[in-house]
Amino acid sequence: NAGVTQTPKFQVLKTGQSMTLQCAQDMNHEYMSWYRQDPGMGLRLIHYSVGAGITDQGEVPNGYNVSRSTTEDFPLRLLSAAPSQTSVYFCASSYSPPGLGGVDQPQHFGDGTRLSIL
Amino acid sequence: KQEVTQIPAALSVPEGENLVLNCSFTDSAIYNLQWFRQDPGKGLTSLLLIQSSQREQTSGRLNASLDKSSGRSTLYIAASQPGDSATYLCAAFMFSGGYNKLIFGAGTRLAVHP
Repeated sequence: NAGVTQTPKFQVLKTGQSMTLQCAQDMNHEYMSWYRQDPGMGLRLIHYSVGAGITDQGEVPNGYNVSRSTTEDFPLRLLSAAPSQTSVYFCASSYSPPGLGGVDQPQHFGDGTRLSIL
Repeated sequence: KQEVTQIPAALSVPEGENLVLNCSFTDSAIYNLQWFRQDPGKGLTSLLLIQSSQREQTSGRLNASLDKSSGRSTLYIAASQPGDSATYLCAAFMFSGGYNKLIFGAGTRLAVHP
């Protein structure tokens, strides 16, 4: 059981380049989310999805796009990378809405993508 | 502004010690509060969730308490072990302007040395 798989694990980009961070889950979860984690700060929600074809913005959506064509996949696209987007990105999926499932129906997190933008 | 704060940012203790990690939040209108564990290079693992109507939750050597009136939660770890070394994050689930938000603290990095 793979859980949540994120690729790549590490990436270095130049300012202005674009790229897609991949996220796939094999648990048939409806809810999927993208977070960024910066030093000294908590995780912040970028975008989320409540099912295939349905996405919405989180707290820090600027500079990022998402789509959800299948239940399994939820890619995050950086349109034109900026140094401020240097961060660790986490994808998570859950059966229940994030924050409501607890330990019985928790969010499952991937191991993250460490992204550096020069 | 809704915020979640964790103090201290880092903690180092000898094996066997009982310890308390602190989490404070600015909005008493929370729905629940969760504690997570994060190992280096890994994602988050949910440890405990306390509903706003509850005072505490226990799982093994872990006990989490919630005091909404004071805006505080604590995670108590009994008889700490080197395997407990990790970063512990708390997150408060709040309703804000019709939008549900899960707000994370920055975490406490715990090192338990033999």
